[in-house]
Amino acid sequence: GENVEQHPSTLSVQEGDSAVIKCTYSDSASNYFPWYKQELGKGPQLIIDIRSNVGEKKDQRIAVTLNKTAKHFSLHITETQPEDSAVYFCAASTASSGTYKYIFGTGTRLKVLA
Amino acid sequence: NAGVTQTPKFRVLKTGQSMTLLCAQDMNHEYMYWYRQDPGMGLRLIHYSVGEGTTAKGEVPDGYNVSRLKKQNFLLGLESAAPSQTSVYFCASSYEGRGYEQYFGPGTRLTVT
Repeated sequence: GENVEQHPSTLSVQEGDSAVIKCTYSDSASNYFPWYKQELGKGPQLIIDIRSNVGEKKDQRIAVTLNKTAKHFSLHITETQPEDSAVYFCAASTASSGTYKYIFGTGTRLKVLA
Repeated sequence: NAGVTQTPKFRVLKTGQSMTLLCAQDMNHEYMYWYRQDPGMGLRLIHYSVGEGTTAKGEVPDGYNVSRLKKQNFLLGLESAAPSQTSVYFCASSYEGRGYEQYFGPGTRLTVT
């Protein structure tokens, strides 16, 4: 079945360094790739997304890249800050039966060390 | 707007008991979803709805039922709770006009003993 693999499961970086989280998807029909940030005790919140007709998207310190041929996409956070510490989830989505179901990765716990 | 709200926030059940989790959204979204989140397994889709009066099975539907009698509400029911249903449950909603973004509620932590 459809699958999204996410690595690493945990990541520790020094404040100011960059962090990269990678995901691989299995369904070649997937056409939308969101990234969610989940803080402790809260629901996931969208931080950036990319569609299959775009190779890269950037929003201030956050960027996402997509390689459709290799079926993988990555989240890049530059100049990390302590408030970036959270669990990050990638997801892949394919329009099906009039809705857009997500397949989530297993999450990456990012710790930014001050 | 309150966005997506979930009731209750916490609940402890004994094996075999039943309960209903309520999700409400005030954004007039067509689509609503129920996920469960377990350590190391990410978020898995239980059931979803593409509109009032419709429901469909997701990835892990066994042991759960849902209803969408009103557009703004999506109920998740456990008829006979099992310890394997101990989890954090998240509701989400989305609409096609915005694209695909799903808005999540704050979650319900359920423990079945």
